Amino acid sequence: EAGVTQFPSHSVIEKGQTVTLRCDPISGHDNLYWYRRVMGKEIKFLLHFVKESKQDESGMPNNRFLAERTGGTYSTLKVQPAELEDSGVYFCASSQGGTQGGLYSPLHFGNGTRLTVT
Amino acid sequence: GDSVTQMEGPVTLSEEAFLTINCTYTATGYPSLFWYVQYPGEGLQLLLKATKADDKGSNKGFEATYRKETTSFHLEKGSVQVSDSAVYFCALSDPGRDDKIIFGKGTRLHILP
Repeated sequence: EAGVTQFPSHSVIEKGQTVTLRCDPISGHDNLYWYRRVMGKEIKFLLHFVKESKQDESGMPNNRFLAERTGGTYSTLKVQPAELEDSGVYFCASSQGGTQGGLYSPLHFGNGTRLTVT
Repeated sequence: GDSVTQMEGPVTLSEEAFLTINCTYTATGYPSLFWYVQYPGEGLQLLLKATKADDKGSNKGFEATYRKETTSFHLEKGSVQVSDSAVYFCALSDPGRDDKIIFGKGTRLHILP
């Protein structure tokens, strides 16, 4: 099966510009997550979709970030306008729905999009 | 809130050396614990996991034991290879919080031939 794919792999933009990252989860996975790693720091949770609904967006840093998941398939994460501190690697992950007996459904990660804001 | 602390890197070892990467956690619930690995140019992959106290996760020669009394989940390997060079992330998930994964900062491991 195809894995989680993210596009682009790298993006370099100037401060104030807009960038849209895309994630295609594994087919049939209801859960889709966005994470971000700023250089040398933790990978931090941004938000969680269950199908097309936002289940948890508590990690979104501010209203410059907008995530959508059209029809419960692929997801986009738009940053507008981008700031220097938005630079980092943005990871997407997906998993099947629900948990089983307290065990979580394994997350499958994409290769990430490295965003550089100059 | 829940958090994960792992040893700072980078860690540089010679091939066949013994590896330990320390990880401790704080959690309000009873979390599951994980080690993820990111090889150069690739995404995060689950390396191993443990879901309850005293469980030992193992994979590819790596092991980690869930120690509730010391809130630790240290990663070990008896003899590392050059191909183990990667960034390793300790992580936890609390099933009571929709299984949201909380990661540590990552430890870069560099193995010299």
